Amino acid sequence: DAKTTQPPSMDCAEGRAANLPCNHSTISGNEYVYWYRQIHSQGPQYIIHGLKNNETNEMASLIITEDRKSSTLILPHATLRDTAVYYCIVGSNTGNQFYFGTGTSLTVIP
Amino acid sequence: DSGVTQTPKHLITATGQRVTLRCSPRSGDLSVYWYQQSLDQGLQFLIQYYNGEERAKGNILERFSAQQFPDLHSELNLSSLELGDSALYFCASSAQGFSAEAFFGQGTRLTVV
Repeated sequence: DAKTTQPPSMDCAEGRAANLPCNHSTISGNEYVYWYRQIHSQGPQYIIHGLKNNETNEMASLIITEDRKSSTLILPHATLRDTAVYYCIVGSNTGNQFYFGTGTSLTVIP
Repeated sequence: DSGVTQTPKHLITATGQRVTLRCSPRSGDLSVYWYQQSLDQGLQFLIQYYNGEERAKGNILERFSAQQFPDLHSELNLSSLELGDSALYFCASSAQGFSAEAFFGQGTRLTVV
């Protein structure tokens, strides 16, 4: 079963930052936080992952709280192509069952 | 293009039949994962193989089986198909475990009639 809680849907204005929250209060010390997104019915796409430090790549930033019980994915300048379902997942690099949960459906509005 | 190839893209078959879905992972990736996504549902983890051996099992029915071959491609076999098996089936690959990014194929849409 999913170990994360995400809001079912969010809207964001085009060009603004999209901040997607995720709660993972039962995360273990060796578990990473991963973010994927799925555009329509395409295959999910990896966005970013982190253990405890904040991470940034060309797609997004990941902010993990100090107690690691929650995190926020930030899309700095949302575009219409960022409309998708965003999944927050926790899992260890030795475990193999990644549960996607129901995710957050992000709609970017022109 | 993720580098993961799934065939066929679409498959329509009758109840009671058996089908085989194929997945070619990215070059060099040793892990293959299978997921099922029913209409408007999340992705359900089915099974993982690593370098030819089963590594983890999720919510995979006994009517379903999978294997990974020496060339690292994988097949998911679905038998005694039921209407409820209609779904998108995704394959993903990664170099090892999910400590690194995993790459998903575009899926096989199975319709059981």
